[in-house]
This record gives sequence, C-alpha cells and structure tokens, in this order.
Amino acid sequence: DAGVIQSPRHEVTEMGQEVTLRCKPISGHDYLFWYRQTMMRGLELLIYFNNNVPIDDSGMPEDRFSAKMPNASFSTLKIQPSEPRDSAVYFCATSSTGVRTGELFFGEGSRLTVL
Amino acid sequence: GESVGLHLPTLSVQEGDNSIINCAYSNSASDYFIWYKQESGKGPQFIIDIRSNMDKRQGQRVTVLLNKTVKHLSLQIAATQPGDSAVYFCAERQGAQKLVFGQGTRLTINP
Repeated sequence: DAGVIQSPRHEVTEMGQEVTLRCKPISGHDYLFWYRQTMMRGLELLIYFNNNVPIDDSGMPEDRFSAKMPNASFSTLKIQPSEPRDSAVYFCATSSTGVRTGELFFGEGSRLTVL
Repeated sequence: GESVGLHLPTLSVQEGDNSIINCAYSNSASDYFIWYKQESGKGPQFIIDIRSNMDKRQGQRVTVLLNKTVKHLSLQIAATQPGDSAVYFCAERQGAQKLVFGQGTRLTINP
C-alpha cells in the first residue's frame, strides 16, 4: 500500500488567497483526521471523519477553514482567505476500526507558508 | 482543560546508552496512551501503546511504563542508535478514535 498521500507537499501563497490541501487515505481505512503542526502549539486535531461523515470539527480554528470528504478515497482541507498565522504543516492521518486503536497512519504533510 | 504534556523539550544521549522520555497527563480517566516518533520532514509514526490496566509494555528495544498514581508515562529506548534521532510524542485517547498529542521531546544522539 502507498500509505496516506497528501498534496501539495509545499505551498507558498499570499495572504487572502484560497488554499486547498488534499488527502488520499489508505484504502479500507474508515477514519480520517486532519492535524495542524506548529512549533508553538504542537499537533492539533482540526477535524475527523468516520465513513466520510464529519464527527468532530471542534478543532477547526474559524470559519475560514472547511473540510470535506466526498468519498472514501479523498478529502480536502480548504482555507479561504488564508492568513500568515495559518502557516504550518498540515497532516492527514487515517485509521481503521478494529485495528490497534491508537495507530494512526500519517501522510508526509503539506507545509503551508502564507506571506 | 485536560492536557497531555512533556517534562523536557530536548534530550541528548550517547549512542549505545538507554534513553528515557517522560510524559505527564492530567486526565485521570484516560485509559489508553500511545507513543509516536516523528523524523524530520515526515509524519508521526506509531511506536507502542499501553492501556490503563497495564503498567508496562515492551516492544523491540522500547518499553513504555505507566504510573497511574502520579499520572506519568515514560518511553524507554534501549541501546540508542543514530536512527532513533527524532521528536517523540505521547498521545492520549479521548473518545473512540480521537488522539490528543503532547508537545514532543527532541531526542538527539551523540556519537
């Protein structure tokens, strides 16, 4: 299996622009998580889905952030409009019910820089 | 609010020595803990887990100890190797699948 695939790996954009991050989960995994990582705040859970349905979005910082999972093989995290404080590494991770509960499989992340 | 935290942000050890990374948690109701390793430029990777009904669990060169009395978790790495250089996170389960991560400890290996 190719693992969790994220794109783009790096994104540099200007304040006010729309940013879309993409994630392809591991086939058969029914949970998908979006995390944000910064030096100041560490790894923060933004939102997670179960069987394509959002379960908990309490970590989404504000209305500028939105996430979708239109099918079992694709998810997006969108920031509109982007701000410099959104600069971070965004990780997508997936897991499967019945497998070791704590074992999330992370992608390699999308490093976002907002100028 | 409830949180998972780490005592030390950095740890430096000699190659071949044992490493001990510590973690404190505040939610006494937590029943499941996990350690993750994150190498530079990569996503976190599962190392080992432990349930609250255990006080020790061993893997390959790694051991996790859980002290529920003082709400403390530690990761021991035996015979540390250069490939062990990474940031190590403890994580606490909240709910069925939601993990909350600590701030991380950077482990560096001296030759």
